[in-house]
Formats: sequence, C-alpha cells, structure tokens
Amino acid sequence: KNQVEQSPQSLIILEGKNCTLQCNYTVSPFSNLRWYKQDTGRGPVSLTIMTFSENTKSNGRYTATLDADTKQSSLHITASQLSDSASYICVVSPRNYQLIWGAGTKLIIKP
Amino acid sequence: DGGITQSPKYLFRKEGQNVTLSCEQNLNHDAMYWYRQDPGQGLRLIYYSQIVNDFQKGDIAEGYSVSREKKESFPLTVTSAQKNPTAFYLCASSIRAGLYQETQYFGPGTRLLVL
Repeated sequence: KNQVEQSPQSLIILEGKNCTLQCNYTVSPFSNLRWYKQDTGRGPVSLTIMTFSENTKSNGRYTATLDADTKQSSLHITASQLSDSASYICVVSPRNYQLIWGAGTKLIIKP
Repeated sequence: DGGITQSPKYLFRKEGQNVTLSCEQNLNHDAMYWYRQDPGQGLRLIYYSQIVNDFQKGDIAEGYSVSREKKESFPLTVTSAQKNPTAFYLCASSIRAGLYQETQYFGPGTRLLVL
C-alpha cells in the first residue's frame, strides 16, 4: 500500500534555531517528492520538488534532501523565524495520476 | 491579482441540505482539483477536472458532485448523501493535467460545519 509517514507529528523550537523534519514513504514506483508549507486555515504552498535523480534542493532557508534507496526525505529549516510556524506536508507521486499526501508536521516557532 | 479564490470561508450545513462551495481561478490553468482535509490526515482527492466539461472521481467522491462548465470555475456540491461532511475543503489548479507532474496551486479553503 502506498503510504507517506511524517515525523515528528509536532515540534516546538525557539526562534533562530534550526530543525529537521522527516518523511518516509513506501510509494512505488516513484516519480517525485514535494514539500508543501500550510499556514493554519490556509491552502498549502509548494516549497520544493525533487525527482528520482535529485538528492537535494534548496529554497531560501529551506533545504530538502531525498534518499530514493531508503525512501526517506528530510526538510531542514535554517535560522527559523516566527513566520515559519506552519504545517509542513510531504507529498509523493507514483508514476500515475495520483498524489500521496502525508499528514504533516506541525511546527511552532517560539520567540 | 492572479490566483485561486474560494467562497465562502465558512459554511454551515443543516441535516439533509445540499451546499455548494465555490472555486474560481484566473491563472488560465487547465486542471482543477477538490480535496478534503481532516485533522491528523493527509489531503484526500474528491474530484478532479483535466478540461472543461470533463471531470473524474477521486478517492472519496461518494456524496459529492462537481461541474466544469467554464475553465475558470469548478464548484463542489456536498450532497445530503455525505454523512460526515465536516472538514476543510481545498480547491487547487495546475497548468496542465497530470497530477504527478504539475505543481498544484491552492485556494484559501472553505471550512464546512454541520449544524
């Protein structure tokens, strides 16, 4: 069964600190993996997308990594800001008309 | 000001009532989608449309209906057959069809509550 598991479910860190969010998937075959940011009560916004051959992709202070062999991805946030408080969702695509969405990690940045 | 708009922001449904959620986009995207989001779960696809006058069922289409009469509009009706409609509903669009290839752009969502 195609599944995407994210950890931790929630995370609280102090402003200015770094953090890493994890995504494990059992989706096969694999096409690409995306990370979305969703502010509370809003729609998700795409941060990064990686295909099978890419193992890292950056978007400002956000850096995503992908290990297609172990079926793991991580999203690293550097020098966190209060505006980073949101849910971060991992989405994996098999090679068909389908997206498998993770439940997300809720990140809270405290001043 | 380009983007996707959804209305209303909050919607209340009475027992046995059908309600319609609006979704409009001015991005000139061919494909549009409806998702349902419940607490602690990933987004689930309700319906999607690759082109005007065509739409396909997603994973949880029962109790919902859609139409795509115009490229810009993709309204979702939650019928009385949907027994557990309380959720956050998200509309999205992408340039072309093909869920796995294209980045989807989301609207701000509609929260549906049952009275």
